[in-house]
Amino acid sequence: GAGVSQSPRYKVTKRGQDVALRCDPISGHVSLYWYRQALGQGPEFLTYFNYEAQQDKSGLPNDRFSAERPEGSISTLTIQRTEQRDSAMYRCASSLKNTFSSYNEQFFGPGTRLTVL
Amino acid sequence: SQQGEEDPQALSIQEGENATMNCSYKTSINNLQWYRQNSGRGLVHLILIRSNEREKHSGRLRVTLDTSKKSSSLLITASRAADTASYFCATDARKTSGSRLTFGEGTQLTVNP
Repeated sequence: GAGVSQSPRYKVTKRGQDVALRCDPISGHVSLYWYRQALGQGPEFLTYFNYEAQQDKSGLPNDRFSAERPEGSISTLTIQRTEQRDSAMYRCASSLKNTFSSYNEQFFGPGTRLTVL
Repeated sequence: SQQGEEDPQALSIQEGENATMNCSYKTSINNLQWYRQNSGRGLVHLILIRSNEREKHSGRLRVTLDTSKKSSSLLITASRAADTASYFCATDARKTSGSRLTFGEGTQLTVNP
């Protein structure tokens, strides 16, 4: 079956513009996560959803970042008034379920490489 | 912020040798996972070890977990050139901070043919 997909794969934008990054999780996966990865480092958590409910957004750097998953499937990460420091790989992951009795194997998408000029 | 630290940061070995990578973390965990990232590609889940397990095997992979020392190791036996990648440990501290994964900074493994 299809894995996690993300679009666009590459995004170049000018400072001050808004960008929207899309994630399409594996069908049936309850939980969806957003991470940001700087070059040479591990991914850093941003936010996650169970179904359409945003469970934890404590990793979002500031209020220019927001995410939604209105129908519990596709998610959009929006960055408003982009700055050069926002340049990074943005990765989405999904997992089948997320309860205390389950174990949280996450399947990652290929990422969106964002460059802010 | 990164919870884990991987050691070494970079490792270069010959094909056929074993590779050992270590990971240390700071808080109590529900489970620990190892991921591989090939150059320019996505993260691939390798293995998950629960906090009540001490050792787990999957093919050429062997993972150990020592919760008293807050450390884990990943052993790749009989390495191949295709194992060249960055390897990350990630902790799931579900009880304290929800189900986010906290990644280390990774070990860059190079397997020379």
